[in-house]
Amino acid sequence: RKEVEQDPGPFNVPEGATVAFNCTYSNSASQSFFWYRQDCRKEPKLLMSVYSSGNEDGRFTAQLNRASQYISLLIRDSKLSDSATYLCVVNLDYWLTGGGNKLTFGTGTQLKVEL
Amino acid sequence: NAGVTQTPKFQVLKTGQSMTLQCAQDMNHEYMSWYRQDPGMGLRLIHYSVGAGITDQGEVPNGYNVSRSTTEDFPLRLLSAAPSQTSVYFCASSSSGGLRDTQYFGPGTRLTVL
Repeated sequence: RKEVEQDPGPFNVPEGATVAFNCTYSNSASQSFFWYRQDCRKEPKLLMSVYSSGNEDGRFTAQLNRASQYISLLIRDSKLSDSATYLCVVNLDYWLTGGGNKLTFGTGTQLKVEL
Repeated sequence: NAGVTQTPKFQVLKTGQSMTLQCAQDMNHEYMSWYRQDPGMGLRLIHYSVGAGITDQGEVPNGYNVSRSTTEDFPLRLLSAAPSQTSVYFCASSSSGGLRDTQYFGPGTRLTVL
């Protein structure tokens, strides 16, 4: 079983649609969670961190369910510019890893927003 | 402020050749790391450094060496290139390696080993 699993997609949605991505992680010691965005042939960039209480940034809402080891990302009112691959990223406990970030990346979910 | 820079952008090697991928950051970040990205695999950690003079292995370190003589630079050396090392390599940095730190990635180096 992969440590971080995502549906690879692609998700093809019309402009203005609401789309949701899901991610599951296997290590219950995971401590912090993120969504990164990666445009085609570019580097990943942080979209948002994910907090236990859920958090929102404009059209983007992230949720974390520790009991189910599940993370979600909701995009409302999709724009053409949202087309990208969305990476679910999980960070293990600092002390368990012996220090430093040990980020584990999902393979990403591709989103294509169409006219 | 250039952020994280990587050179070269593209490289083709023959099996058995060696080379160094350069990475530099101008944000005074303590933590730097190297990842490789392959189709269907996600990014995988090769090596990381929590500060100048300190390096450690990640998930897939075999065939690669690193050193960190300054805060700014973190080169990745391929000792004897193999076709299995064909990949996109990303260097990343964060301020302290804390759990919630944002990782800033360089633009990547696309390496092909023939």
